[in-house]
Order: sequence, then C-alpha cells, then structure tokens
Amino acid sequence: QVQLQQSGPGLVKPSQTLSLTCAISGDSVSSKSASWNWIRQSPSRGLEWLGRTYCRSKCYNGYALSVRSRISVNPDTSKNQFSLHLESVTPDDSAVYFCAREVSADGNFFDSWGQGTLVTVSS
Amino acid sequence: QSVLTQPPSVSAAPGQKVTISCSGSSANIGKNYVSWYRQLPGTAPKLLIFENNKRPSGIPDRFSGSKSATSATLDITGLQIGDEADYYCVTWDGSLSGWVFGGGTKLTVL
Repeated sequence: QVQLQQSGPGLVKPSQTLSLTCAISGDSVSSKSASWNWIRQSPSRGLEWLGRTYCRSKCYNGYALSVRSRISVNPDTSKNQFSLHLESVTPDDSAVYFCAREVSADGNFFDSWGQGTLVTVSS
Repeated sequence: QSVLTQPPSVSAAPGQKVTISCSGSSANIGKNYVSWYRQLPGTAPKLLIFENNKRPSGIPDRFSGSKSATSATLDITGLQIGDEADYYCVTWDGSLSGWVFGGGTKLTVL
C-alpha cells in the first residue's frame, strides 16, 4: 500500500518560492513503472497538473506550460521523496497542492494521492 | 476554463442511475485512456475508473466507464446518498504534453 505524506509551509509571501515535499512509503521514487506528480486545486482553476519527475535509465521531468518557467520537481533518492519548488509566487498560486503517484500499466493514471496542503500566498 | 468539459452538476434519486459526460478532443481523449476520480470535501481525489472502463479493487461494479471517439462517460447505478461527491475525468493531452482535467461534476442524490 503506497502512502504519500506531504509537508511544507501553508503561507508563502508574494515573489518568494513555494516549496513542498512528498515522502513516499511503499514504493520508490526511482521506480521504473511510476511517475511522481504535483497537482493543485483552486476554486478559480479547478484541478491543474503542474509537473512530474520519473526515473528510467536516468531521471526526467515534465512541466505544465503555465508554470514551466518557474517550477522544478526533483527526486531525492536518499530520502525516497520528491519536491516541488515554484518560484515568484503570486496570490493566484494560492491553492491546495497534492502530490500523486502515476502508475504505468497499459495506460497511465493516478492511483495514490497525498493528503493535500493548503498554500496561501499573502504578505 | 478546463480542457475537458463536464456538466457542473447532475442529480438523481436514490436507486436511480446517473451518467456524467466528459468531452475532449483528438489531442487528448481521442488518443489516450481516460480515468475518473471521486472527491469528497476536504479530501484528495480517489481513483474510480482507469483505462476508460477498469475498476480498481474495492470499487463496486455500480461504477462503470466508457469512451467513444473524443468523449467519455461515467455511469453510476443504484445511487446511494454516500455517492454525493465531485467527480472528475482526467487524461493525457499530447499537444500540451501534460495531464488535463475536467472541471468536475457535483453529484447530488436527492
């Protein structure tokens, strides 16, 4: 049973960097059959995919066009976790942030989610 | 404005059937599998259907999914009060190179 445990601050000042971590138990961030995603949800944007990291022969990233210039998602194999860094945040980045495991079968889908972290961008 | 289009709300009586639609394009639903999720207030989405019509273990057969061309549907039969939740469709969009979501459908069991 995979479990994802999120951690990070719930309040970030405008123009600063939002940083969250997702600790994995029951799987490995280096898994060749999974990808590790960040998704956010707000009343104005609904559910929005932000980006992912996945490791095959080496580790790769993929990011949503809307945040590509200011996002990084990184695996930490020593701690079996992955992180989200979103730079230059504005109040529009206020949302509930989720991490999620994407599994690769015939198709891909999200089968495990973190508990969610409410992040408010405010001075 | 979500890439996938869902009705904002649906409702039906207990024991009845409801269908939730999800409309996309050739770049997303037309080329990729669709999955469906249920979300209760204050919780994370939970997987209901994957690869268009498969159910994870523990999901009752009252929930079924299908896909045709650039649209997908989620059917829920034998409605229960506990089915009240928000439902989302999700798929990969090849032109955006990313995951896209429906705007969500709020199910009310009258």
